[in-house]
Amino acid sequence: EVQLVESGGGLVQPGGSLRLSCAASGFTFSNYNMNWVRQAPGKGLEWVSYISSSTGMLYYADSVKGRFTVSRDNAKDSLFLQMNSLSAEDTAVYYCAREYCDGGTCSFDYWGQGALVTVSS
Amino acid sequence: EIVLTQSPATLSLSPGERVTLSCRASQSVGTFLAWYQQKPGQAPRLLIYGASNRATGIPARFSGSGSGTDFTLTISSLEPEDFAVYYCQQRSSWWTFGQGTRVEIK
Repeated sequence: EVQLVESGGGLVQPGGSLRLSCAASGFTFSNYNMNWVRQAPGKGLEWVSYISSSTGMLYYADSVKGRFTVSRDNAKDSLFLQMNSLSAEDTAVYYCAREYCDGGTCSFDYWGQGALVTVSS
Repeated sequence: EIVLTQSPATLSLSPGERVTLSCRASQSVGTFLAWYQQKPGQAPRLLIYGASNRATGIPARFSGSGSGTDFTLTISSLEPEDFAVYYCQQRSSWWTFGQGTRVEIK
């Protein structure tokens, strides 16, 4: 069974840092591109970041570029999101999501349960 | 950035009714469009990928259609568990989501 389990969320002061982790199991993690998606309270979904399976390609939404860094450890089946210079606008549930591609089209077929990040003084 | 606009924002319907949700892209995305369902307190669930392909385990009452800039998600007959928020997502250029359509019980 495919599972994605986020951890590392919590309360952080404005300007602070936090590192999220996503532990993957039930599939060959190193074969899949991975993404982070966030959802502010009562709001819609916002794509945050992408990391390729093994080529090192990284992409970020403009809203987090220069502040967030995505990484992965394929040996440990883990995905990470280092978040720096946090502001209240970063308050959200953060989901890791597996990218599934079939016939040239891609989507997010498995999601974690989410980790809540609250930025407040 | 490609903007996805979903309509309507909210639908109030009864079980058994047919539902049609719309997603319009600001420029062509081909068939690089997916639909998700999200219930309160839960992660999104993939329903449709490639505009018209049902994901594994998704009931046949869910169907997707469209290409280019105009897409539709149809639920042929609403079940009680279908009341949720539905999002479209494109991957023609970097991932973006629509703002969502809430399907609520009338």
